[in-house]
Amino acid sequence: GESVGLHLPTLSVQEGDNSIINCAYSNSASDYFIWYKQESGKGPQFIIDIRSNMDKRQGQRVTVLLNKTVKHLSLQIAATQPGDSAVYFCAEILNAGKSTFGDGTTLTVKP
Amino acid sequence: DTEVTQTPKHLVMGMTNKKSLKCEQHMGHRAMYWYKQKAKKPPELMFVYSYEKLSINESVPSRFSPECPNSSLLNLHLHALQPEDSALYLCASSQIRQGDGYTFGSGTRLTVV
Repeated sequence: GESVGLHLPTLSVQEGDNSIINCAYSNSASDYFIWYKQESGKGPQFIIDIRSNMDKRQGQRVTVLLNKTVKHLSLQIAATQPGDSAVYFCAEILNAGKSTFGDGTTLTVKP
Repeated sequence: DTEVTQTPKHLVMGMTNKKSLKCEQHMGHRAMYWYKQKAKKPPELMFVYSYEKLSINESVPSRFSPECPNSSLLNLHLHALQPEDSALYLCASSQIRQGDGYTFGSGTRLTVV
């Protein structure tokens, strides 16, 4: 249930497995990145963020990795649960609040 | 209060109507945003307000007119829309200084008929 490096529009994993969701960003001047989770009928929900001067940041069950050399961002979810099923977006933020969202990945967690 | 509240949740309007979308937050955030999201697509930035002043307009057609009456409120005035403007309109807010993420509302589902 993992994919490394390649952005996939959909990802299906078994409950309890780890998930890796990938994102490529476009602007090397972006200095802040955010991962969002969007459930059906709701707005995006902040999960975790990372600044461009970092390459890794951990939260509760989630880790974000940033590779500025190849302009790649990944979100790792440990012990994926059915409640993690949603669409996940990365967003790159330039100065002054200009943000660009990547194409989302729909994560489906099978019980 | 850690929410962004958007009203109405659903709106159907004709192409000759004038309507307004409203957004409110009481987190003391001084940056507020409007996004447009089409089905199965990522949100697209439309406008950014910083300290109640328009700082970014992403070449949005003039039939969309934003307004920020005070630091807690953000409106989006709609006039003479087209059916292709049907989408989910999301409001978000954040601190001016990056690092705290953005808080999004649940959006207004707009249908133009």
